[in-house]
Amino acid sequence: DAKTTQPTSMDCAEGRAANLPCNHSTISGNEYVYWYRQIHSQGPQYIIHGLKNNETNEMASLIITEDRKSSTLILPHATLRDTAVYYCIVRVEFTSGGGADGLTFGKGTHLIIQP
Amino acid sequence: NAGVTQTPKFRVLKTGQSMTLLCAQDMNHEYMYWYRQDPGMGLRLIHYSVGEGTTAKGEVPDGYNVSRLKKQNFLLGLESAAPSQTSVYFCASSRVNTQYFGPGTRLTVL
Repeated sequence: DAKTTQPTSMDCAEGRAANLPCNHSTISGNEYVYWYRQIHSQGPQYIIHGLKNNETNEMASLIITEDRKSSTLILPHATLRDTAVYYCIVRVEFTSGGGADGLTFGKGTHLIIQP
Repeated sequence: NAGVTQTPKFRVLKTGQSMTLLCAQDMNHEYMYWYRQDPGMGLRLIHYSVGEGTTAKGEVPDGYNVSRLKKQNFLLGLESAAPSQTSVYFCASSRVNTQYFGPGTRLTVL
């Protein structure tokens, strides 16, 4: 799996959009970008993933650059409950019946939402 | 639908004691995982299973054993606990690449 680089920490004001960057310059053509977050003392939670196109769901948006070497996770209206460590993970998607080794977590970005 | 549950939530062991951590999922997922997380670090994979009756080693398997006798359960065993195994243990399950995590077990080995 490709290596990712994320800032150690970021602050964002409550109600504003939080933009979390991730660099993955060695990403391969068949690797997806995944985002998980971990609220203090809880298990990680899946947020969103994508391959090439921008993606949006009820939690966040994922913007992937055209060369796929970096991406940005956007939380459109951050709340205090979004304070967490956010992990950007790059890995190959697998089909049912294929290999299924685990996720490789780095240290992530500690996002602090300020009131 | 409880998702992924872990038993126990907390445990304190003495060096050399043994214990088993239980992970259960009710989502009929084929794949299950055990991770550990040390303070200030990301999660590291201990063992995983791609189906009932199968297990495989992850990044940090030494000192641990696992079993997947039933599809819904994945057990993590410590035969002779060491202080270096003090950590938070997370179980996860998935059908494809999206993993669902349990709440964790906090283990202290004295």
